[in-house]
Amino acid sequence: DIQMTQSPSSLSASVGDRVSITCRASQNIKDYLNWYQQKPGKAPVLLIFTASTLQSGVSSRFIGSGSGTDFTLTITNLQPEDFATYYCQQSYSVLWTFGQGTRVEI
Amino acid sequence: QVHLVQSGAELKKPGASVKISCEASGYTFSNFAIQWVRQAPGQSLEWVGWLNTNNLYTRYSRKFEGRVTISRNTSANVVYLELNGLRSEDTAVYFCGREGVVERNQGVVNYYYYYIDVWGAGTSVTV
Repeated sequence: DIQMTQSPSSLSASVGDRVSITCRASQNIKDYLNWYQQKPGKAPVLLIFTASTLQSGVSSRFIGSGSGTDFTLTITNLQPEDFATYYCQQSYSVLWTFGQGTRVEI
Repeated sequence: QVHLVQSGAELKKPGASVKISCEASGYTFSNFAIQWVRQAPGQSLEWVGWLNTNNLYTRYSRKFEGRVTISRNTSANVVYLELNGLRSEDTAVYFCGREGVVERNQGVVNYYYYYIDVWGAGTSVTV
């Protein structure tokens, strides 16, 4: 199975900051990479698909980039509602896999 | 409005089976596959399996192969996840999700990208 490794596992930031989360795949997955946001006790929410396409209704403060094995989720002008856990997920293989998550804390 | 409504929490003994449901509404059910993902307490998301609601093909994570069955009620817009031989490590919240798809063209080749665009609220299973 394709392994997805996120870094860091957690980070602390302040409102207004710009933060970046990295996701690395164990093999080339082209741009078959999705990002989700999850808040405690809630289901995940799709933010970005195809590595860089913003899901409808999602703030343009979320920016996805990368291809191949290295991907980045950047959040600009961090807002209070952005404090959550973020997961990357590959769909290159039909056997999907997720990263271990990055918790963004105040 | 698209909704996925999941069945209620389950408490099971080790070795037992559990069958949880996911009822879809607000869209043409057979046009979208359903994915199942679980999340153990304090852990990451873990892919369980997939059902093509049109032709009923399934795929399962190797981790659950032989213990899991995903099926569909052919007279209703309901998908089921059944997990057998439960152990304490199966304690988790199980989410169903609608598999969205986007097509991208590169020359004469079409590429299809998949993701979960609508999630159920989750079903807690405690073993």
